[in-house]
Amino acid sequence: NAGVMQNPRHLVRRRGQEARLRCSPMKGHSHVYWYRQLPEEGLKFMVYLQKENIIDESGMPKERFSAEFPKEGPSILRIQQVVRGDSAAYFCASSLTTEANYGYTFGSGTRLTVV
Amino acid sequence: DQQVKQNSPSLSVQEGRISILNCDYTNSMFDYFLWYKKYPAEGPTFLISISSIKDKNEDGRFTVFLNKSAKHLSLHIVPSQPGDSAVYFCAASPGDNRLAFGKGNQVVVIP
Repeated sequence: NAGVMQNPRHLVRRRGQEARLRCSPMKGHSHVYWYRQLPEEGLKFMVYLQKENIIDESGMPKERFSAEFPKEGPSILRIQQVVRGDSAAYFCASSLTTEANYGYTFGSGTRLTVV
Repeated sequence: DQQVKQNSPSLSVQEGRISILNCDYTNSMFDYFLWYKKYPAEGPTFLISISSIKDKNEDGRFTVFLNKSAKHLSLHIVPSQPGDSAVYFCAASPGDNRLAFGKGNQVVVIP
């Protein structure tokens, strides 16, 4: 069991470009969560998805950010027209259940740097 | 607004001694609390959790205490080992799919 796989590990984008972050959940997990960690901060919830459905996107910025979890393939977090403030570590997690109580399994993250 | 607060950002402790990490929360709707451990360049790893109906949960060297009236919890690691050197995040959930995290405590265990 390979765990939660995120790629790329590091991503550098110029201001105005698009960033695509990928997350493959653990085998058998159908719930995917994205969190963002800004420098010197804790992780902040962004979005919760199940296959083909966005369940809770209350933590997503209203513009430029979108997420999907298609029937086939990994979950994608997409950031359009990136700005310097988007530089952060983006973590994906997956779980078997719908509750966070049992602890998610996190991936190693994608570190996005906007130059 | 920071609903989960971890003060004292860093802690140094001698190997074999006890490490105590503290966490305060403001949202009375939280009913489940978790601790995560994070090494550099890795994702957080679930360590231990506690439900609001309990005041203590123990797992090996790790014990979490919850004082619901004070909205305070703590993590005790005893004895501390060099491999425990990491950042520890306190997190809380109102029983749904979201976790609110604190900013983390850096723990350094000195051999």
